[in-house]
Amino acid sequence: AQSVTQLDSQVPVFEEAPVELRCNYSSSVSVYLFWYVQYPNQGLQLLLKYLSGSTLVKGINGFEAEFNKSQTSFHLRKPSVHISDTAEYFCAVSDTGGFKTIFGAGTRLFVKA
Amino acid sequence: SAVISQKPSRDICQRGTSLTIQCQVDSQVTMMFWYRQQPGQSLTLIATANQGSEATYESGFVIDKFPISRPNLTFSTLTVSNMSPEDSSIYLCSAAKTVGAYNEQFFGPGTRLTVL
Repeated sequence: AQSVTQLDSQVPVFEEAPVELRCNYSSSVSVYLFWYVQYPNQGLQLLLKYLSGSTLVKGINGFEAEFNKSQTSFHLRKPSVHISDTAEYFCAVSDTGGFKTIFGAGTRLFVKA
Repeated sequence: SAVISQKPSRDICQRGTSLTIQCQVDSQVTMMFWYRQQPGQSLTLIATANQGSEATYESGFVIDKFPISRPNLTFSTLTVSNMSPEDSSIYLCSAAKTVGAYNEQFFGPGTRLTVL
C-alpha cells in the first residue's frame, strides 16, 4: 500500500518569492507521483506528474517537481509565485498500474501582496 | 483524455433521505472510482466501481451506506443512503484510461452535498 505525507498544512509567502511545497511518500512498489491544484470552489487540476525518466518534472503555471527516490520525496517548487497561485495543493501517489490514486492531506498556499 | 460530468453539481438534502449521484465519461475507461472530500480535507477513496460486479470498498466504507453501480464502461452511480450532516462533502467521480503504457486518471467536477 502507498501513503503520502505533505509536511506543511499551510504555506504563506509573499508575491514574487520562491516557494517549495514538500511531499514524502511511502510504497513497497514502484509508483507514479502527481501534484494537483484545487482553486477555491473548483475541481482538481493536474499540475504535473512523474511516471519515469527524468527526475525533474515541469508542469503548468511555472511549477516543477523533483523526484528523489532515495529520500522518497517529490517536492513542488516555483521560483516566483503570483497572487493567483493561492490554492490548495495535493500530492498524490499511485502504483504503476495507475489504478488507484492516494492523496496527501493538502497544503494551502497563500500568496500575499 | 476523458471528460467526466457529474449530476447533480450540488444539492441540499434532509437527513434520513438518500441521494444518487451520476457520473458520465465521454469515452470508455478502464476503471472508475468514487472519492469523498469533506470540508477542508483531502480526497478519500470510497470505492472502485467495477463493471458488472460489486464495487470494491475501502476501509471505513460499506455498501449499505454507499451503494455503487457501474452498468457499462462509461457510467457509474453513487448513492449516499440515510444521510446525516456528517455526509456533507464533495463527492468526486474519477476514471482511469490507458494512455500509452500508463493508466491516467481523470476527475469530474464533483457534487457538493449539504445535509441539513
